[in-house]
Amino acid sequence: GAVVSQHPSRVICKSGTSVKIECRSLDFQATTMFWYRQFPKQSLMLMATSNEGSKATYEQGVEKDKFLINHASLTLSTLTVTSAHPEDSSFYICSARDTPGGAEAFFGQGTRLTVV
Amino acid sequence: KQEVTQIPAALSVPEGENLVLNCSFTDSAIYNLQWFRQDPGKGLTSLLLIQSSQREQTSGRLNASLDKSSGRSTLYIAASQPGDSATYLCAVYSRDTGRRALTFGSGTRLQVQP
Repeated sequence: GAVVSQHPSRVICKSGTSVKIECRSLDFQATTMFWYRQFPKQSLMLMATSNEGSKATYEQGVEKDKFLINHASLTLSTLTVTSAHPEDSSFYICSARDTPGGAEAFFGQGTRLTVV
Repeated sequence: KQEVTQIPAALSVPEGENLVLNCSFTDSAIYNLQWFRQDPGKGLTSLLLIQSSQREQTSGRLNASLDKSSGRSTLYIAASQPGDSATYLCAVYSRDTGRRALTFGSGTRLQVQP
C-alpha cells in the first residue's frame, strides 16, 4: 500500500515554544491530508483537513491560530503547534488517500508530543 | 453526524480463543469501513477495508463483516495469539458532503494471555 511518513516520532518541548510536525506522502501525491489527535486511551479525533495550495479546514473547537497547517506541496503537509502548553501534549497523526477519491486511508507513524 | 461505537472497550482472553469485536455506526451512508490495529504508543496498521457494497473481507486469521443497513461490522479473530494484543479501531468513511476524513470508534483493547 501507499506510504505516509511522519516526523518526528517523538518530541519534548518547553511551554511557550512551537513545534513543527511533518507529514509526507512518499510514493503518491496527496491534494488532501488529514490531521488527527489522540489523547491517552481515547480514539482519534479529526483536527483539520489540509488542502494543497489553499487554507486548511478546521473542525469545530480546534484553534486555527494555535495549530497552523501548511500544505505547500502535493507531498508535504506540516502541523505547527504554536505556543505549546502541557494540555497540548498528545499523539498527533496524519493521514492521506493515494487518490482524491481513494477508498483506503493511509496513516503516518504518529508523533508523541510532550510539553513540559 | 456520524458516530461510531465499539464494544467491548476491553477484552482479555487466553491464547487460542476465537473472538469477535463489534463496531456500530449511526449513519449507513458510507463509502467503506476500515479496521485498524494500534500498538501502544504507535501509529495505525490497516487490517481490512470493506467497501459499502461488500459483505466481508478476509486476511489470514482475520475476517471482517459489514451489515451496512443495520450499521454494524464485526472483526473476527481466529485462534488468537499473544502477538494479537493491541487496540483495534474501526473507522467509517462517510458520504457526508465535503468530509473525506474517517470517523473512528473508541477502540477495543485486546489482551491475549499466553
